[in-house]
Amino acid sequence: DAGVTQSPTHLIKTRGQQVTLRCSPKSGHDTVSWYQQALGQGPQFIFQYYEEEERQRGNFPDRFSGHQFPNYSSELNVNALLLGDSALYLCASSFGGEIPEYFGPGTRLTVL
Amino acid sequence: RKEVEQDPGPFNVPEGATVAFNCTYSNSASQSFFWYRQDCRKEPKLLMSVYSSGNEDGRFTAQLNRASQYISLLIRDSKLSDSATYLCVVNIGGSQGNLIFGKGTKLSVKP
Repeated sequence: DAGVTQSPTHLIKTRGQQVTLRCSPKSGHDTVSWYQQALGQGPQFIFQYYEEEERQRGNFPDRFSGHQFPNYSSELNVNALLLGDSALYLCASSFGGEIPEYFGPGTRLTVL
Repeated sequence: RKEVEQDPGPFNVPEGATVAFNCTYSNSASQSFFWYRQDCRKEPKLLMSVYSSGNEDGRFTAQLNRASQYISLLIRDSKLSDSATYLCVVNIGGSQGNLIFGKGTKLSVKP
């Protein structure tokens, strides 16, 4: 039974570029949440997707957007990248938005 | 005031030691409480949930004091493999899985 998977593992971009990160939830899970973890900090909630809709959003600008597909997988898009967007981006899945959530291995984004 | 605050650490302890981590949260409406463990450059993994009555899982004991908005984690007989960052996590509640993480406390267990 595959857990939460994310791609790519690492990514390097330059300021102003756009990036798309991908997540497949654990089998049987229908809810995907995205978190940003800067170095030395705890993860911060970006948003949550359920039934292909953004159900809840944290304190992140509109440059951060997402999508959920009918198979429950999800994408996180970040536009106009800033140096401060460099972080580990974690995807977590659950069933019906219940907690606790299972995290994927993350995508490490570096913005130069 | 941060929503979830933890001991800054790092904690450097010898094998076999007992170590305690503390955490406070600011939102009195918080309903669920957890400790996660995060190894270096890895994802957080759920260590244990925390209940008002206190709960134990082997060498690990978690306690919650709702009146003081305080959560603790006690690790007895520390092992080298316990070395990691321990994250205190709170959920406001409802059906929304929005977890609020502390910054984490780094534990290093030495031989």
